[in-house]
Amino acid sequence: EPEVTQTPSHQVTQMGQEVILRCVPISNHLYFYWYRQILGQKVEFLVSFYNNEISEKSEIFDDQFSVERPDGSNFTLKIRSTKLEDSAMYFCASSRTEGHQPQHFGDGTRLSIL
Amino acid sequence: AQSVTQPDIHITVSEGASLELRCNYSYGATPYLFWYVQSPGQGLQLLLKYFSGDTLVQGIKGFEAEFKRSQSSFNLRKPSVHWSDAAEYFCAVAPGGSQGNLIFGKGTKLSVKP
Repeated sequence: EPEVTQTPSHQVTQMGQEVILRCVPISNHLYFYWYRQILGQKVEFLVSFYNNEISEKSEIFDDQFSVERPDGSNFTLKIRSTKLEDSAMYFCASSRTEGHQPQHFGDGTRLSIL
Repeated sequence: AQSVTQPDIHITVSEGASLELRCNYSYGATPYLFWYVQSPGQGLQLLLKYFSGDTLVQGIKGFEAEFKRSQSSFNLRKPSVHWSDAAEYFCAVAPGGSQGNLIFGKGTKLSVKP
């Protein structure tokens, strides 16, 4: 069964540094998402992406965050200047359509900011 | 605001016993409803989904869930739990329409006693 793959599985970064988290969505999916889960808290929506542009974003997704689909397969989340509170598990998800089609999640990238 | 409540943070059941995990949502219309499971170090795996129609939905691994509009609930059940079911379970809501983002509950951690 096709899967969403995320790299790296664990990223350790100094505060203030830029970090890029990478995702390869399922190949025939058109909608892409990023979520995060701070340790011990609920999974929170960050952003959705369709047709090469952001379709929706949460208030967490401020100017420090950006997303890109640089080629036909990758979907990236960039945090420009990381803060301690950005430490979390970041999940990428994809779906064929939005709303009623289920989102398929990757195994996540654990981001640790020192 | 839309929200999802999972009132039980941690549940322990004996192997072979039945299981019910509770989920309530707050939303004006009938949203799309999902249950996901997360094993340690893994991503979120879809167990089942409800969009419309029959209010009792069957999922993978022997799980089922029942949508009750009058109670705004979507409880997850399994008649006989296996040790491999130990994991964290998340109820999620997609408001539907043009909104694709998922709103998650805080999760219920399931422990299984031998």
